[in-house]
Amino acid sequence: DAGVIQSPRHEVTEMGQEVTLRCKPISGHDYLFWYRQTMMRGLELLIYFNNNVPIDDSGMPEDRFSAKMPNASFSTLKIQPSEPRDSAVYFCASSLSRRPYEQYFGPGTRLTVT
Amino acid sequence: EDQVTQSPEALRLQEGESSSLNCSYTVSGLRGLFWYRQDPGKGPEFLFTLYSAGEEKEKERLKATLTKKESFLHITAPKPEDSATYLCAVQGETSGSRLTFGEGTQLTVNP
Repeated sequence: DAGVIQSPRHEVTEMGQEVTLRCKPISGHDYLFWYRQTMMRGLELLIYFNNNVPIDDSGMPEDRFSAKMPNASFSTLKIQPSEPRDSAVYFCASSLSRRPYEQYFGPGTRLTVT
Repeated sequence: EDQVTQSPEALRLQEGESSSLNCSYTVSGLRGLFWYRQDPGKGPEFLFTLYSAGEEKEKERLKATLTKKESFLHITAPKPEDSATYLCAVQGETSGSRLTFGEGTQLTVNP
């Protein structure tokens, strides 16, 4: 079975540019989570969805960040405009509602903003 | 606000040398404590769930235990393939499905 798929795996962009990260969760999973991981702050939850509906976006750092889940098999995290402090590894994870804590993580997208 | 503190930050062991990792937590009503393993360049991988003080879970050379204030991940006779970063996370009663992660312990097992 395919796990969580993320694209791109690496993204290098200049400050001010728009960045879109993509995620395909495991089929049948009804929870989807977006995390950011840095050396300084560790693994932080940005937002999560249940049945395609955003439930908790309190971790989204500011209005420059937005996330959507138009259907059960696709989600995007967009940063516009990007800043150097956004450089991090962004993970998408999915899980089943009966065990939402047992999250299956994707390989991550390493974002570098110069 | 839920908080998780892990110690030590890094640990080096010789193969076969048993040890423990610590996870201290502050949470308003613990719904669950979770251990994940993360290999370099990969996403975290779920290991264990603990729900109440006194509970223990085992998987191969790993055993997780839970008290009212902390959890331990005991590693018995580790092998080099156990080298990874081990993350602890908690879910509080007011957190919904949000997990709060600690910063992890980076374990290196030398052959």
